[in-house]
Amino acid sequence: DVKVTQSSRYLVKRTGEKVFLECVQDMDHENMFWYRQDPGLGLRLIYFSYDVKMKEKGDIPEGYSVSREKKERFSLILESASTNQTSMYLCASRGGSGGLLGEQYFGPGTRLTVT
Amino acid sequence: DAKTTQPTSMDCAEGRAANLPCNHSTISGNEYVYWYRQIHSQGPQYIIHGLKNNETNEMASLIITEDRKSSTLILPHATLRDTAVYYCIVRSVSSNTGKLIFGQGTTLQVKP
Repeated sequence: DVKVTQSSRYLVKRTGEKVFLECVQDMDHENMFWYRQDPGLGLRLIYFSYDVKMKEKGDIPEGYSVSREKKERFSLILESASTNQTSMYLCASRGGSGGLLGEQYFGPGTRLTVT
Repeated sequence: DAKTTQPTSMDCAEGRAANLPCNHSTISGNEYVYWYRQIHSQGPQYIIHGLKNNETNEMASLIITEDRKSSTLILPHATLRDTAVYYCIVRSVSSNTGKLIFGQGTTLQVKP
């Protein structure tokens, strides 16, 4: 079974802090994704990566950055956390090279609260 | 990617079949239909996907109409653990990013 793990289930940070959310997958997947989920808005893509050191902006990249130094690990960074970044953050991975279909496997999510 | 429309909520009796509809009237020829579900406080879980033929796996069946403008996810014997939000997603086969656009989904409540 594919396993996608996220570093924390719950996190509370203060406004202005730098926040790191870590995601690790164990299936040697090329593609990894970061989403945030908010009530009434569904899932929105923040960033994705299709290879080590490669990254692409999703729909809402502002205020976020990412890092993919190793294939199995994809980190989401909030450079200076703000209260409007309070949300559920979901990481996902998918196998297959470009153009191939495959289901996305999601981690359990990190519920981040910024106070 | 085509937009999908789903009912906001549905109820189903435990042990009965749950039939979840999805409209995707603007779907194009190279777009697949995907279904995911999200149980409360967990990440989304892949269920099934299809292009134009009906599909079945150990979790569910997917029925796609001949004109491909709508589909139905069938959980043949719903259990209480199937209570979740079910998302119908349409995605182009030419997309190489795997980006999934989740709408609001259908909240399925399985009742004893």
